[in-house]
Amino acid sequence: NAGVTQTPKFRILKIGQSMTLQCTQDMNHNYMYWYRQDPGMGLKLIYYSVGAGITDKGEVPNGYNVSRSTTEDFPLRLELAAPSQTSVYFCASSLRTRSYNEQFFGPGTRLTVL
Amino acid sequence: AQSVTQLDSHVSVSEGTPVLLRCNYSSSYSPSLFWYVQHPNKGLQLLLKYTSAATLVKGINGFEAEFKKSETSFHLTKPSAHMSDAAEYFCVVIVNDYKLSFGAGTTVTVRA
Repeated sequence: NAGVTQTPKFRILKIGQSMTLQCTQDMNHNYMYWYRQDPGMGLKLIYYSVGAGITDKGEVPNGYNVSRSTTEDFPLRLELAAPSQTSVYFCASSLRTRSYNEQFFGPGTRLTVL
Repeated sequence: AQSVTQLDSHVSVSEGTPVLLRCNYSSSYSPSLFWYVQHPNKGLQLLLKYTSAATLVKGINGFEAEFKKSETSFHLTKPSAHMSDAAEYFCVVIVNDYKLSFGAGTTVTVRA
C-alpha cells in the first residue's frame, strides 16, 4: 500500500492564481482531512470528510474548497491565492471505528504564494 | 475545550543521553492523548497513544509517555537519544470524532 499520497510536493503561486492540491489514499479509509502547518503553530484543520459526498469545514476553511467524489480522493482547491496561504499542507485519512482511529498523514505539499 | 500545551519549543540533547519532551493538557473529561513525530520533509507518524488504559504507554523507537492526571501531563521520554530522533514532536488530544488539537511542536536536536 502507498498509504496517503499528495501532489505536488512543492509549488510557487502568484497572488490571485488558483490551484488544486491532490490527495489520494489506498487504505479504504472513510475519513479524510486537510491541514495546514505554519511555523510554531502546530496543525490546523481546514476541511474534513466522513465519506464520499460529505464534507465539512474545520477551523480555518476560508479561501479553500474541497470535494469528495470517491472514497480515495480528497482534493483541496485554492481559488484566489493570497500570501497568507503560504504554508505546508497535509492530507490525512483514518478509518472510523468505535475506538480511536489513528490518522495517517501524507508527506505534505509546500506552497509559497508571492 | 480539549487542548494541549507543549512547554518547550526546542530541546537539544547529546547522543546517548535521555530525552524529555513536556506536554500539559486541558480537558473536562478523561482525554485521549497522542504523540506524533515529523521527520524533516515527511508527514506525521504516530509514536504512541493513551486511551485510558495503562498510564505508562510504550511507543515505537524506544519512546514512552506517562499520563499523570494529578499533574495534567503527558510527557514523552526516551532513555538514550539517537541521531535519528532529530525531528519535530507533536502532542495531540482528541477533541471529537474528527478533530484533533495539536500542540505547537517541539524540535529535537541531537548532538554527536
